Amino acid sequence: DTGVSQDPRHKITKRGQNVTFRCDPISEHNRLYWYRQTLGQGPEFLTYFQNEAQLEKSRLLSDRFSAERPKGSFSTLEIQRTEQGDSAMYLCASCRSTDTQYFGPGTRLTVL
Amino acid sequence: GQQLNQSPQSMFIQEGEDVSMNCTSSSIFNTWLWYKQEPGEGPVLLIALYKAGELTSNGRLTAQFGITRKDSFLNISASIPSDVGIYFCAGLGNTGNQFYFGTGTSLTVIP
Repeated sequence: DTGVSQDPRHKITKRGQNVTFRCDPISEHNRLYWYRQTLGQGPEFLTYFQNEAQLEKSRLLSDRFSAERPKGSFSTLEIQRTEQGDSAMYLCASCRSTDTQYFGPGTRLTVL
Repeated sequence: GQQLNQSPQSMFIQEGEDVSMNCTSSSIFNTWLWYKQEPGEGPVLLIALYKAGELTSNGRLTAQFGITRKDSFLNISASIPSDVGIYFCAGLGNTGNQFYFGTGTSLTVIP
């Protein structure tokens, strides 16, 4: 247990539905990252927050994806109008500003 | 994005053997990290490297930050069955904000 938690661990949804995932980082970590990982690949960066500010977004993050970290603690990642190509493991990681990242267990999304 | 190449892609070894894997980049990195991931779980940090030439150990694991800052190596000595998993390297990009991951080395240890 790294101290980073994610909820839910698994989500199965039908195409077109909206889904929301939550990440609770290690409490003293001010940076929070979201990644997507597909089978046989390493994690791909989606976005990151420093405190409550979303500072960088990947081109992978389409308009259907939105992330928030309203109080600089937990974060949510929402995917609207899910597509089958969204099926993946969604990973959250946290760190202090210039330190190493610690990952949560991930949320496995399956879009039918 | 910046590309990290890991090799080998997969390894099948006998218990007790030593393992070596590496990661190369087309860009310079300021930090190298090595992670291990098991099925259905998030990556777990093994070793972090912050300085070119640095050699760091964590139990049976040893990792090195290449002098050129474009590569890193991970060695596992006397492998055991619980070493099975996928090993990822990650490098911290120039902006200091984003980590880039390799495609992983899948390790199978045969008892």
